[in-house]
Amino acid sequence: SYDLTQPLSVSVALGQTASISCGGNNIGSKNVHWYQQKPGQAPVLVIYRHPTRPSEIPERFSDSNSGNTATLTISRAQAGDEADYYCQVWDSSTGVFGGGTKLTVL
Amino acid sequence: EVQLVESGGGLVKPGGSLRLSCVVSGFDFSAYSMNWVRQAPGKGLEWVSCISGGGSFRYYADSVKGRFTISRDNARNSLFLQMTSLSAEDTAVYYCARNYYDILSGYPPFDYWGQGTLVTVSS
Repeated sequence: SYDLTQPLSVSVALGQTASISCGGNNIGSKNVHWYQQKPGQAPVLVIYRHPTRPSEIPERFSDSNSGNTATLTISRAQAGDEADYYCQVWDSSTGVFGGGTKLTVL
Repeated sequence: EVQLVESGGGLVKPGGSLRLSCVVSGFDFSAYSMNWVRQAPGKGLEWVSCISGGGSFRYYADSVKGRFTISRDNARNSLFLQMTSLSAEDTAVYYCARNYYDILSGYPPFDYWGQGTLVTVSS
């Protein structure tokens, strides 16, 4: 089975840039999608099929994907960005999520 | 407006069965593959199953294969998940999620999600 590895937590100072990694074997060859989930809410798609953002997602959210690591970058972090973030791919018609990263905005 | 509304969750004993439903509105249901994604309390997201827009192709996580069955009724804009042989490990919020395009066309993200229905397996 295909595994995705994310750090458990990432901290960022208000207004600074946060980077959340997602590791997987040759993940650079896959379409990686990113989701934000706030407590008690359903996940929200923030980035898909590099580098596309849904229209309601601000330009501060961007991504990269190469080799064995995909990265979600949040620029000018705001308090409202504090949430859990998940990467996701498809592998042989099976959906795979990373374990999730809790982003804390200090 | 796209809406997905799950129902059918509840408390069930180990070994029991449950059927979840998801009624959708606001889009051409038959044109999109649909999924069930679950989240155990305090844990991360786990993909469970996907069904193509026409209903002919179905995919399952290894953890539920042989126990869960996904189905859909395109005439009634409804998605279902029949769950059998339930165990405590199946306790989770179950989300219905739409794919941005049909799974048969590539590797789509989940672009719309319901609010989830809680399934608790306990004696």
